[in-house]
Amino acid sequence: EAGVTQSPTHLIKTRGQQVTLRCSPISGHTSVYWYQQALGLGLQFLLWYDEGEERNRGNFPPRFSGRQFPNYSSELNVNALELEDSALYLCASSLTPGPPGDTQYFGPGTRLTVL
Amino acid sequence: RKEVEQDPGPFNVPEGATVAFNCTYSNSASQSFFWYRQDCRKEPKLLMSVYSSGNEDGRFTAQLNRASQYISLLIRDSKLSDSATYLCVVLKGGSQGNLIFGKGTKLSVKP
Repeated sequence: EAGVTQSPTHLIKTRGQQVTLRCSPISGHTSVYWYQQALGLGLQFLLWYDEGEERNRGNFPPRFSGRQFPNYSSELNVNALELEDSALYLCASSLTPGPPGDTQYFGPGTRLTVL
Repeated sequence: RKEVEQDPGPFNVPEGATVAFNCTYSNSASQSFFWYRQDCRKEPKLLMSVYSSGNEDGRFTAQLNRASQYISLLIRDSKLSDSATYLCVVLKGGSQGNLIFGKGTKLSVKP
């Protein structure tokens, strides 16, 4: 069974640009989560989508946004990129959005570098 | 106080050693708890969920103490392949979908 997939694997952008990252969940999973892992920091929760709706949002500015499509895949958009946005962006999916079925499985991530 | 705290290590142990990691969390409403492992520059992978009664999976034993808001992971008979960073993860109480990750404890198993 295929795991969570993300694209692209690496991305280099300059300050002020916009970027779109993509994620496909494990087949049958309806919830998709986005996390940011900056160098030296732990994973920080960004967004959670379930059944096409944004269900929860972490402590990030509005220039971080996303959406979930009818096939449950998801995009993360970051506008007006700043240097500190350089990080590994991880997508995870789960079968159900709450306990006890909320175990999240992670994709390989997209490494974003902002110059 | 940080929401999830772990000893960052590193823990340097010989093969065959037993090693224990501890983690504390601040939100008493948290309901779900996990240990993930993360290899260098890779994504986190679920190691095991942590249940109130404690649970074991081969060489790995996880325990939860809700009263003390404390989670532990015990690895017996360490293998070289156990070298990784171990992440203590808590589902934020009252906030579905929001996993809170500790910064991780680095383990290095030496021959």
